[in-house]
Amino acid sequence: AQSVAQPEDQVNVAEGNPLTVKCTYSVSGNPYLFWYVQYPNRGLQFLLKYITGDNLVKGSYGFEAEFNKSQTSFHLKKPSALVSDSALYFCAVRVDFGNEKLTFGTGTRLTIIP
Amino acid sequence: NAGVTQTPKFRVLKTGQSMTLLCAQDMNHEYMYWYRQDPGMGLRLIHYSVGEGTTAKGEVPDGYNVSRLKKQNFLLGLESAAPSQTSVYFCASNFWAGDGYTFGSGTRLTVV
Repeated sequence: AQSVAQPEDQVNVAEGNPLTVKCTYSVSGNPYLFWYVQYPNRGLQFLLKYITGDNLVKGSYGFEAEFNKSQTSFHLKKPSALVSDSALYFCAVRVDFGNEKLTFGTGTRLTIIP
Repeated sequence: NAGVTQTPKFRVLKTGQSMTLLCAQDMNHEYMYWYRQDPGMGLRLIHYSVGEGTTAKGEVPDGYNVSRLKKQNFLLGLESAAPSQTSVYFCASNFWAGDGYTFGSGTRLTVV
């Protein structure tokens, strides 16, 4: 079985400060990890992914995420938050072989305070 | 514009009525998925397809059926709607397992 945990339902960050949205995962095998963002009344948009290689991956809108195998984590980060980053963020995981299905976390609502 | 198109965007059904949600993609993607999104529960997979003519059950398939007769279309059917099926439904697609998904804009369904 595969699962994802996003331990924080809500994260508030002041504009200009660094932000982190946490994600931990569990899979039987090598993980494929993804971050998505959802703006109000919209579908989800792909931000970035880790498949293999460098543990630090860079994605859209200045976001990056660090894969940590020993801690089974894939936290989303940005050095300087913008008000426009306020949205709902989802982490997702699947195993590399034998399972086409992506499992999503319950989401973290990020609010950037001007 | 290339992408995933869902119709309809909104629908209100009475308990026991049936309906079909249509998902169409023009990116030649092999994989297509139907998810439902409920507050506090994230996205849960209903059914998915790994290619034309194939379908498989996801995490919450009961009460739903699907068909993938053409590669570009993935239909989700509710035969007898129940209030528990009130949700926002998202279709998604990708070309291979390591790709990110492209999502549609969603269908907001209310069953009264």
